[in-house]
Amino acid sequence: EDKVVQSPLSLVVHEGDTVTLNCSYEVTNFRSLLWYKQEKKAPTFLFMLTSSGIEKKSGRLSSILDKKELFSILNITATQTGDSAVYLCAVDYNTNAGKSTFGDGTTLTVKP
Amino acid sequence: NAGVMQNPRHLVRRRGQEARLRCSPMKGHSHVYWYRQLPEEGLKFMVYLQKENIIDESGMPKERFSAEFPKEGPSILRIQQVVRGDSAAYFCASSNVASSNQPQHFGDGTRLSIL
Repeated sequence: EDKVVQSPLSLVVHEGDTVTLNCSYEVTNFRSLLWYKQEKKAPTFLFMLTSSGIEKKSGRLSSILDKKELFSILNITATQTGDSAVYLCAVDYNTNAGKSTFGDGTTLTVKP
Repeated sequence: NAGVMQNPRHLVRRRGQEARLRCSPMKGHSHVYWYRQLPEEGLKFMVYLQKENIIDESGMPKERFSAEFPKEGPSILRIQQVVRGDSAAYFCASSNVASSNQPQHFGDGTRLSIL
């Protein structure tokens, strides 16, 4: 059975801290790994990673994929209270296109 | 440019009633996906539809649940004879093509509560 495992399950930091969120996966027919941010409502897309070793950046957020070791990390530097959310990792497939398998998320709380 | 629209935002039903959840995809999108999210869990895939076709329903419970995406109108997720365990947030996502480098776009979800 396909698995996507995120760690830690929850994390509490103070503003200005740097955090690293982890996502490991065991799936067949892997195509890409995606990160989403969810704040009470719809998950909003952050990154899609298809190739190993290529870092994607967006402001204070960055992410990288290791297809050999089957994991990805999401880094957030200089955290702000607005970064508080659930961060979801998902994988999608070369076959059965359309279906995504999600991890259970990491709940990040950034305190002032 | 409206995003994915789901309604209602909140739905309360008593055990045994029917629940109908609606999803209008983003303009130009013809692929719709339904996910269920239980408290403190990730999204679990339920079904993937294109216009008038169910492509993958491997995540749908075998009984009481059905989905459609008619030629005209929104996609509907229908739950018959609801039970307490159906209480969850149901999210719909859409995309313009299935096999692409485009991520799915999510609606704000319908929170279903069963009394």
